Amino acid sequence: AQSVTQLDSQVPVFEEAPVELRCNYSSSVSVYLFWYVQYPNQGLQLLLKYLSGSTLVKGINGFEAEFNKSQTSFHLRKPSVHISDTAEYFCAVSDTQGGSEKLVFGKGTKLTVNP
Amino acid sequence: DGGITQSPKYLFRKEGQNVTLSCEQNLNHDAMYWYRQDPGQGLRLIYYSQIVNDFQKGDIAEGYSVSREKKESFPLTVTSAQKNPTAFYLCASRRAWGEQFFGPGTRLTVL
Repeated sequence: AQSVTQLDSQVPVFEEAPVELRCNYSSSVSVYLFWYVQYPNQGLQLLLKYLSGSTLVKGINGFEAEFNKSQTSFHLRKPSVHISDTAEYFCAVSDTQGGSEKLVFGKGTKLTVNP
Repeated sequence: DGGITQSPKYLFRKEGQNVTLSCEQNLNHDAMYWYRQDPGQGLRLIYYSQIVNDFQKGDIAEGYSVSREKKESFPLTVTSAQKNPTAFYLCASRRAWGEQFFGPGTRLTVL
């Protein structure tokens, strides 16, 4: 079964600094990959997704992620963060061979942007 | 605009009570999901349904029940058998390629 590891549970950064949130998944079979953001007491919102094609994926709010098949990673990056980026971020993987019925989520990374 | 509505936003339950959380979507999606979220635990799948009148258990189905009588609706009942129900509950529906679209959530607290 697929599993997703988000290597950092909390990441504090200063405003305008770059940030990378790390995500590794367990299986090298064909997958779809997603990053979601959750603000306090709200649902999850899709930031970006990798389905196929270019390994560099751009999303909303200036975020991007790079799919690395050999390292089974899908790290999220932003070159300059804002206070408003403070939120929890979840990486998720869907197994295409399983018909993409379910998403497997990591445990989340809390990003705190300090002034 | 299409979306998912969950109600109520906050729900309080006394010990031994069953409570039902509502989830409605107007996205015309076939598949719907219920997740439970606890701090530091990520999202855990309770039940999912791929089509009307059919549903499957997820990873933590014990103490919960669902129904899927209409495409638009997927209510979750938290029964008295669920010993630790205090959590944030999220409903989702599935778009193409496995992508899921989430509702705003219901926070359940046991008094």
